[in-house]
Amino acid sequence: GAVVSQHPSWVICKSGTSVKIECRSLDFQATTMFWYRQFPKQSLMLMATSNEGSKATYEQGVEKDKFLINHASLTLSTLTVTSAHPEDSSFYICSARERAARLFNSPLHFGNGTRLTVT
Amino acid sequence: AQSVTQPDIHITVSEGASLELRCNYSYGATPYLFWYVQSPGQGLQLLLKYFSGDTLVQGIKGFEAEFKRSQSSFNLRKPSVHWSDAAEYFCAAGGDTDKLIFGTGTRLQVFP
Repeated sequence: GAVVSQHPSWVICKSGTSVKIECRSLDFQATTMFWYRQFPKQSLMLMATSNEGSKATYEQGVEKDKFLINHASLTLSTLTVTSAHPEDSSFYICSARERAARLFNSPLHFGNGTRLTVT
Repeated sequence: AQSVTQPDIHITVSEGASLELRCNYSYGATPYLFWYVQSPGQGLQLLLKYFSGDTLVQGIKGFEAEFKRSQSSFNLRKPSVHWSDAAEYFCAAGGDTDKLIFGTGTRLQVFP
């Protein structure tokens, strides 16, 4: 089946530094990838839609300059949390839809998430 | 507004007992519906999906779900729960856009 690899699985960083999270589709091409944030015991909040070769589309309330998204190839999207602060600590999950899937009813494939802790 | 509601935040069942997790949706048209499961510290795994046709859909791990248009529901069921089923379950809806709307999740606890 389709596999999405997310790296790192956990990261601890100091306040003010930047952290990059990678999301790779291992055995399929993904034109579109999605980045979610999940707070403890809560649902997934869509942050942005990453489109290969173009700018990401951010959801309302998500700071573009703080959460930089790059989708440089059909198999890789990165999320960079810039100048991280303790309130950015969260669980970040990416997902991808296969390029060959033309309909919105095709399921998303999820990475295993990244636990970010900012001290 | 489009939304997905999971009324039960936390459910506890005994191993071997039957299970039903509730999901209600509010959508402009009949959405595509999904159930995902999330183990602690992990991503989401698709259990099953409904697009059209037969309203009773079978998924992995012995799960099934029934789409009821009249009730705007898509409840997840399993006849006999195993301890390994303990996890967080999310119902999601999509359709006319590329985005999925997730419910708030139901945490399932299984007692031996």
